[in-house]
Amino acid sequence: QVQLVESGGGVVQPGRSLRLSCEASGFNFNRYAMHWVRQAPGKGLEWVAVIWYDGSNKYYGDSVKGRFTISRDNSKNTVYLQMTSLRAEDTAQYYCARVGTSGGDLDHWGQGTPVTVSS
Amino acid sequence: QSVLTQPPSVSGAPGQRVTISCTGSSSNLEAGSDVHWYQQIPGRAPKLLIYSNDNRASGVPARFSGSKSVSSASLAITGLQAEDEADYYCQSYDSGLNGLVVFGGGTKLTVL
Repeated sequence: QVQLVESGGGVVQPGRSLRLSCEASGFNFNRYAMHWVRQAPGKGLEWVAVIWYDGSNKYYGDSVKGRFTISRDNSKNTVYLQMTSLRAEDTAQYYCARVGTSGGDLDHWGQGTPVTVSS
Repeated sequence: QSVLTQPPSVSGAPGQRVTISCTGSSSNLEAGSDVHWYQQIPGRAPKLLIYSNDNRASGVPARFSGSKSVSSASLAITGLQAEDEADYYCQSYDSGLNGLVVFGGGTKLTVL
């Protein structure tokens, strides 16, 4: 079955960097675009970034553009989110999700990894 | 302020029918972008319920249904059950300056 397992979250000081990983299994990873979505405590879902199945295209939400970088290693079935210049408002649960068959929905989600930005 | 607008909360008694609306704009729903719906039980990851406006995801009971008009979409839940108490989010694609993927602010469903 499809599994997405995030890791790399933790507590980090403002201005520092962190890299999240999402390891996929149970499907042909190199055929699917992958997203990162986050959720601040007590808040709604916020889209962060997407990367095409082959890494050829990447798009970002306005609040992270220029600070976060999405990448993937299809040989390791893993998608990454490199986060730099972290701010308090980046504190959230970070989920990776697979694009669904419609091309627009997110049909499988990981359990998430928490990121706390605090001094 | 979310790009897609949902009511903050709805409620209903067991067995009743409730609907959750999702209103968009010219850069998303009115432009023809599909709407997808997710259910999130507190403390858990979101789960896809409805994709491409009116298609139930695998394993989703027939009590859940979706529809879309030009500028809005709706999620309907019939035969409400206690286990349906959760947060519900709509999602679409946006061709404007709002970011490629946009979510509604979420609706908290309370089963009375």
